[in-house]
Amino acid sequence: AQTVTQSQPEMSVQEAETVTLSCTYDTSESDYYLFWYKQPPSRQMILVIRQEAYKQQNATENRFSVNFQKAAKSFSLKISDSQLGDAAMYFCAYRSNRHSGGYQKVTFGTGTKLQVIP
Amino acid sequence: GAVVSQHPSRVICKSGTSVKIECRSLDFQATTMFWYRQFPKQSLMLMATSNEGSKATYEQGVEKDKFLINHASLTLSTLTVTSAHPEDSSFYICSARPSGTVKKLFFGSGTQLSVL
Repeated sequence: AQTVTQSQPEMSVQEAETVTLSCTYDTSESDYYLFWYKQPPSRQMILVIRQEAYKQQNATENRFSVNFQKAAKSFSLKISDSQLGDAAMYFCAYRSNRHSGGYQKVTFGTGTKLQVIP
Repeated sequence: GAVVSQHPSRVICKSGTSVKIECRSLDFQATTMFWYRQFPKQSLMLMATSNEGSKATYEQGVEKDKFLINHASLTLSTLTVTSAHPEDSSFYICSARPSGTVKKLFFGSGTQLSVL
């Protein structure tokens, strides 16, 4: 079974600074997706960024970028120019690209609570 | 973007009663929907995968007779918590994957269930 580990329960960053959230995962598969989701106090899950395992290039979305190290099974999220609105829980998640059986399900890490200091 | 509507957002019920939560994809068809449970300050735990027109697939340890899932159409899945008890109090979130794509998953806004 796949597992996703986030070793930082809480992080803080000064507004306008850069912060990196860590995530490692364990899988025997080679074709999968990795995600970072944001859950603000409203508890609505918001997709921040997505990485396809077969793509070597790291995904970027405006101020958000990832460092995907497939061999090390590491998938960190970098938030640049942090804003107050970035304060939230961040969940790293894994999904297999296999279509059969229960492989469509998304496995979430335990989350990192990000505090942005004004 | 795609919208998933989850209703109600909050429900309080007495112990022993049943509660139904709806998850509706508003602008796309969803062959597959997922139901998650989230305890305070914890991660999302998958309860079951709901497939349109067939039985749901439950995760290990989830009682299928207690958490009834119905996915009768391509836009609606329901989760019914039967004979609710205080330990069922939790935040329940649904998500839906548009048919024909494997990449995107959209989440409802969640339902906070409190059983007295």
